[in-house]
Amino acid sequence: EVQLLESGGGLVQPGGSLRLSCAASGFPFISYDMNWVRQAPGKGLEWVASITDTGFRTYYADSVKGRFTISRDNSKNTLYLQINSPRAEDTAVYYCARRPAGELLDYWGQGTLVTVSS
Amino acid sequence: QSALTQPRSVSGSPGQSVTISCTGTSSDVGGYHYVSWYQQYPGKAPKLMIYDVSKWPSGVPARFSGSKSGNTASLTISGLQAEDEADYYCCSYAGNYTRVFGTGTKVTVL
Repeated sequence: EVQLLESGGGLVQPGGSLRLSCAASGFPFISYDMNWVRQAPGKGLEWVASITDTGFRTYYADSVKGRFTISRDNSKNTLYLQINSPRAEDTAVYYCARRPAGELLDYWGQGTLVTVSS
Repeated sequence: QSALTQPRSVSGSPGQSVTISCTGTSSDVGGYHYVSWYQQYPGKAPKLMIYDVSKWPSGVPARFSGSKSGNTASLTISGLQAEDEADYYCCSYAGNYTRVFGTGTKVTVL
């Protein structure tokens, strides 16, 4: 059974930093591109970042470019999102999602809440 | 990377059909055959319902169907059921390995 389990969310001050993790199981993690998608309270979904299966290539939404870093450790079957210099508008539930071949996100984690506030 | 435009809400009675539109531009919806749709219940993770405009993932009922014309994609739910009451989001590939979601539509079963 495919499982994605996010962790690392919590309260962070503006200008601080936080690292989210997504532990994957039930599938060959090294064979899949992975994504982060977020959802602000009461708002819609927003694609944040993606990383290829090898980790060699990464892509970001303009809203987080230069502040967020997506990475992965295939030896640990874990995806990461480093959040630097967060702003209030980064407050959201952050989901990790698997991307098989093609343009779709077929499995999602349950999400982890990040709250940016002083 | 502006969000795709969806109606805020649609509603229908059980057994009826409802259609949700998703309007973008030639740089996203109109430029690629890569539109997907996601269903989300409150407090839950999204679930893939349609991909590549009109394909079904395993386990999704055929009463969910997708289409596209120009810069607008659509999701139609036929034979509406109570469990279809949820939020629905479209998503399109937007070039340069990026993707953009729609604003979301709340489906209400009357």
